[in-house]
Amino acid sequence: DTAVSQTPKYLVTQMGNDKSIKCEQNLGHDTMYWYKQDSKKFLKIMFSYNNKELIINETVPNRFSPKSPDKAHLNLHINSLELGDSAVYFCASSPAGGLSSYNEQFFGPGTRLTVL
Amino acid sequence: AQSVTQLGSHVSVSEGALVLLRCNYSSSVPPYLFWYVQYPNQGLQLLLKYTSAATLVKGINGFEAEFKKSETSFHLTKPSAHMSDAAEYFCAVTAGGTSYGKLTFGQGTILTVHP
Repeated sequence: DTAVSQTPKYLVTQMGNDKSIKCEQNLGHDTMYWYKQDSKKFLKIMFSYNNKELIINETVPNRFSPKSPDKAHLNLHINSLELGDSAVYFCASSPAGGLSSYNEQFFGPGTRLTVL
Repeated sequence: AQSVTQLGSHVSVSEGALVLLRCNYSSSVPPYLFWYVQYPNQGLQLLLKYTSAATLVKGINGFEAEFKKSETSFHLTKPSAHMSDAAEYFCAVTAGGTSYGKLTFGQGTILTVHP
């Protein structure tokens, strides 16, 4: 009955590989987010989707491509992985973005990506 | 644009002592402010939020925060620390309108509680 789940929890891979992280929420929320937490624990938003539509796209290398097949899922695909991509990636969801920015965001447990 | 500064990357208190974690924000529009807690190897959990209603906001686990516009602050307090409060705390800000819930986080404050 996990609200926001992510797979895998840990991901270790070599430079240059392509990998995906999956996120699912069963809260019925309209909006989902991807955040990156670096080694200094600094959290920064990467992307957001509202009802499968991209609404936030921060300055992120185009090697990162989010995909939302439906409003309950938001996946993150990363091409040509680099050492600097090592971080913890968090998925989050909220009832709605836009005019409801005061809504709480519910976070997943995170995916720790290590690029060797 | 919004930004958040958390003063003190580490705060250490004794069990039973007052907890005070400082957060100052910058926002060109009226902000919405949040405090999240992160326990080791877990995601973030909302403690409390300010959304332009009461300036003193009460949250879970006995925490509260006061919004002070004149000081652009949203400090987090708890009268009596418990060992289970040891975690990392993040202050965050967002604006309404077209921000789509984009949260801007501070750099975090690690709270250590000594017996």
